[in-house]
Amino acid sequence: QVQLVQSGAEVKKPGASVQVSCKASGYTFSSHGIVWVRQAPGQGLEWMGWMNIYNGDTKYPWKFQGRVTMTADTSTTTAYMELRGLTSDDTAVYYCAREISLYDYAMDVWGQGTTVTVSS
Amino acid sequence: QSVLTQPPSVSGAPGQRVTISCTGSSSNIGAGYDVHWYQQLPGTAPKLLIYDNTYRPSGVPDRFSGSKSGTSASLAITGLQAEDEADYYCQSYDNSLRIFGTGTKVTVL
Repeated sequence: QVQLVQSGAEVKKPGASVQVSCKASGYTFSSHGIVWVRQAPGQGLEWMGWMNIYNGDTKYPWKFQGRVTMTADTSTTTAYMELRGLTSDDTAVYYCAREISLYDYAMDVWGQGTTVTVSS
Repeated sequence: QSVLTQPPSVSGAPGQRVTISCTGSSSNIGAGYDVHWYQQLPGTAPKLLIYDNTYRPSGVPDRFSGSKSGTSASLAITGLQAEDEADYYCQSYDNSLRIFGTGTKVTVL
């Protein structure tokens, strides 16, 4: 079945970096974009960026530009999100999700979420 | 970054009909971009509920329906059930960015 399985919870100190992985299976990895979404405790969903797995293109909102990098390894069908310069405001659950197609931005498959805690 | 505005909460008794609005602008919903809806049960990942304004993925009950007009969209839940108690988010597209609504908590009385 189509699924995205994310890496486990992380605890980081302020100023550190975190990398979250997202292993895809059950579909043609390069035929769908991957987005990353985060949710701070008690808050709503926040879009962090998108990657076209086929050609490697990325798009990040200005809030995260210079601090986030999204990559993918097509040989292992795994997407990665690295966030640098962590602060307590980055404490959140991070989700990867698949977009329905390269031309439809609905997110039809989600990972289980990875909790990132930033604390000194 | 643009955001889509939703009411913080709506409530209804079992069996009733509730609607959730999602208000955007001329650069997103009003520009013709599709609206999608997600349901998030407590402690779980969001789940796609409605895509491309009105379509339900396989397995989503037909109690859920979506519509779009002008710069706004709506999600309707008819025959409200206890298991519908969750947070709901709309999502669209604006200037190459994906944007989410502020979220609505649905309470079943």
